[in-house]
Order: sequence, then structure tokens, then C-alpha cells
Amino acid sequence: EVQLLESGGGLVQPGGSLRLSCAASGFTFSSYAMNWVRQAPGKGLEWVSTISASGGTTYYADSVKGRFSISRDNSKNTMYLQMNSLRAEDTAVYYCAKSAWGAASGSTFDYWGQGTLVTVSS
Amino acid sequence: DIQMTQSPSSLSASVGDRVTITCRASQGISNYLAWYQQKPGKVPQLLIYAASTLQSGVPSRFSGSGSGTDFTLTISSLQPEDVATYYCQKYNSAPWTFGQGTKVEIK
Repeated sequence: EVQLLESGGGLVQPGGSLRLSCAASGFTFSSYAMNWVRQAPGKGLEWVSTISASGGTTYYADSVKGRFSISRDNSKNTMYLQMNSLRAEDTAVYYCAKSAWGAASGSTFDYWGQGTLVTVSS
Repeated sequence: DIQMTQSPSSLSASVGDRVTITCRASQGISNYLAWYQQKPGKVPQLLIYAASTLQSGVPSRFSGSGSGTDFTLTISSLQPEDVATYYCQKYNSAPWTFGQGTKVEIK
């Protein structure tokens, strides 16, 4: 059974940093691209970032480019999202999601974690 | 970047009604279009990919169609458990943009 477990969310002041983790199990983690998607309170889904299966290629939404960094450790079956220079508008539930096929491009998201809440407020 | 526009933003229909949601891409995306269902307080779930292929376990009352720029999600007979917000998503290449969502309620 595929399981994705996010952690690391919490309350942070504007300008602060936070690192999210996504621990994966139930599939060959190193064979699949992985993704972060966020949802602000009462709002829709927003794609944030994607990393290829090897970790060699990364993609970012314009709204987080230069502030967020995605990475993965295939030996630990874990993906990360380092979030710096946080703003109030980054407040959201952050979901990790598995790409349905190995490649990032041309692949939708077939499994999602339960999400972790990030609140940016003073 | 390609924009994804859904219509309507919300709808209310009776149990048993046929419901149609539209998603339009600002440029052609072939059939790289997915639909997700997010029930209140729950995690999004993949319903349809490749514009018309049902994900395993999805009831057959759901169907998808379209190619290029115009796509449709249809619920042939609305059930109480279908109350949710539905999102389309393009996935041919980055960015993996979602539509703004369509909230479906029971009348």
C-alpha cells in the first residue's frame, strides 16, 4: 500500500524558514518523480514543485522560485521542501504527491499524503 | 504559461441529475488532462487521467472527454457521495497547473 506522510509544518514568522519532509513507503521511491502541492485555507489547489526520480531535475512555480528548494534522499525514501523567506501568502496545507509514472513530465499525481499545515504569521 | 479555466465555479443539482463540468486550456495540451475530486475535509483523489481514462476504483458514472483545449467531466447520475470540489489539471509539462475548481452540491 502506497503511503505518503508529510511532517515539518507549523507556525513561522514572516521571513522565516521551514523544512517539510515526505516519507514514502509501499512503492519503489527511486523510480518515481515526486511533487508538492499546496492549498491555502478555503482556496484551490496550487502546484508548488516537482523533482525527478533521480533528483537531477527540479521544477518550481513562479510564486516560490528562488525561495523554495525541493530535494530527495532515495536511500531514505524521503522528499523535502526547504522553504525560506516565507510570506503570509505561503500559509497553506502542503501535500506531497507521487507521480503516476516514472517521469515528471507527462505524469499526473496518483497518490497524495494527508498534508501538513504551514502558517506564516507574526 | 498555459492557464486552465473551469466552469461553472459551483453548481447545485438533484440526486440522479446529469452533471457536466468544463475545463478549458489556454493552449492545446493534447489529452494530458486529469480530473481530481476533493471531498470536504479530505485529500484530493485522482478520478480521470488522459482526459478520459478512469482511475482504478472510480465509479462508472464518472466520465471524461475532450482533447486539445476543451475538456468535460460528466457525472451521469449525481449521488450524495459526489458532493465535492472537482479540479482539472494539465500535466504535459511544467507547470502542472490546476483549474480553480468546481464545487458540486446537492439541491
